[in-house]
Amino acid sequence: KAGVTQTPRYLIKTRGQQVTLSCSPISGHRSVSWYQQTPGQGLQFLFEYFSETQRNKGNFPGRFSGRQFSNSRSEMNVSTLELGDSALYLCASSLEVLAGGLTNTGELFFGEGSRLTVL
Amino acid sequence: AQSVTQLDSHVSVSEGTPVLLRCNYSSSYSPSLFWYVQHPNKGLQLLLKYTSAATLVKGINGFEAEFKKSETSFHLTKPSAHMSDAAEYFCVALLTDSWGKLQFGAGTQVVVTP
Repeated sequence: KAGVTQTPRYLIKTRGQQVTLSCSPISGHRSVSWYQQTPGQGLQFLFEYFSETQRNKGNFPGRFSGRQFSNSRSEMNVSTLELGDSALYLCASSLEVLAGGLTNTGELFFGEGSRLTVL
Repeated sequence: AQSVTQLDSHVSVSEGTPVLLRCNYSSSYSPSLFWYVQHPNKGLQLLLKYTSAATLVKGINGFEAEFKKSETSFHLTKPSAHMSDAAEYFCVALLTDSWGKLQFGAGTQVVVTP
């Protein structure tokens, strides 16, 4: 079974530009979440999508947005890039199994990330 | 406030010696707890998880962790370190029923010396 695939793996942008990152979850996984990882701030939650709906959002400015498609693939977009947006952006998918109304398997499967450098 | 604290930012061990990575959580709820490992330029991989079953949890690659509610701890151990264990380790807590509320510790960088 293929793992979580993120594209592109590496990219360089300049301040003011915008960027779109893509994430293909493991087949059958319907929840996709995004994280920003930097040396200074560590891992920070961006947002989470389930069945094309954003269920949770972290404390990031509106320049950060995302969406999920009907096949569960997800994209995140960062507009008006700033130097501080340089980071490793990680996508994770999870399998949610409904049992008695609420359950999940408790495991996130991470992609290898998209490393964004803003110059 | 709900939080996860990894008590050591760096741990250095000799190959073949035990590894101990410390994690404490703060929560009003009974959390689900995880340890993930991240090798350089890679995503995170689940080592093990605690979800209110047995308090001693065994994971992959010889790692195990013990949930101690009285100490609000979930320390990760391995009896004998291997060179391939050099990586960053994250203690993670799901403090509510929402994936968006995952709390990541700051990470512990493990160095293994020959």
